[in-house]
Amino acid sequence: EVQVVESGGVVIQPGGSLRLSCAASGFSFDDFSMHWVRQGPGKGLEWVALITWDGGNRYYADSVKGRFTISRDNSKNAIYLQMNSLRTEDTALYYCAKDSNVLYAMDVWGRGTTVTVSS
Amino acid sequence: DIQMTQSPSSLSAYVGGRVTITCRASQSVTVYLNWYQQKSGKAPKLLIYSASSLQSGVPSRFSGSGSGTDFTLTISNLQPEDFATYYCQQSFIFPYTFGQGTKLEI
Repeated sequence: EVQVVESGGVVIQPGGSLRLSCAASGFSFDDFSMHWVRQGPGKGLEWVALITWDGGNRYYADSVKGRFTISRDNSKNAIYLQMNSLRTEDTALYYCAKDSNVLYAMDVWGRGTTVTVSS
Repeated sequence: DIQMTQSPSSLSAYVGGRVTITCRASQSVTVYLNWYQQKSGKAPKLLIYSASSLQSGVPSRFSGSGSGTDFTLTISNLQPEDFATYYCQQSFIFPYTFGQGTKLEI
């Protein structure tokens, strides 16, 4: 079964740092780009970041650029999201998603991990 | 950044009915337009990619059309399980952006 599973979400104070993980299985991981997408409480979806299959290219939403870093370890079939200088507006459910390799649609999603930034 | 605007923000329909949701981009995204369905408390699910291609396993009552800046998602013969929130998303230019969502209610 093709799946991705996120972990690492916690309650953290503003200004803190956190690393989310996403474990992939059931597909040839190093053939696919991977995304992070988030959803604030009661809000819509916000694309956060993408990393290409080899880690050679990374792209970010303006709202996280300079604070978040996406990375991957193809030997572990995993991607990560290092989140620094966290703000209350970063509070959200963070989804990991597999790219379909067809015009960058996201065809497999995890259940998400919750990050709450609060003092 | 490309702004994606969906209309309506919410709508009501009957089982067996037909609805159309519109998505407009602030600049051309050619056919780099995807549609997702999200049910309450669940992860999004890819329905349509490349504006009009049906994702594997998605019922044929879902269809997409459009190119450039104007796109539509049409759901025919609505089923109870179709009542959810729908999002469009452009994957033409970084940063990728989603529409604000359309909530479809019974």
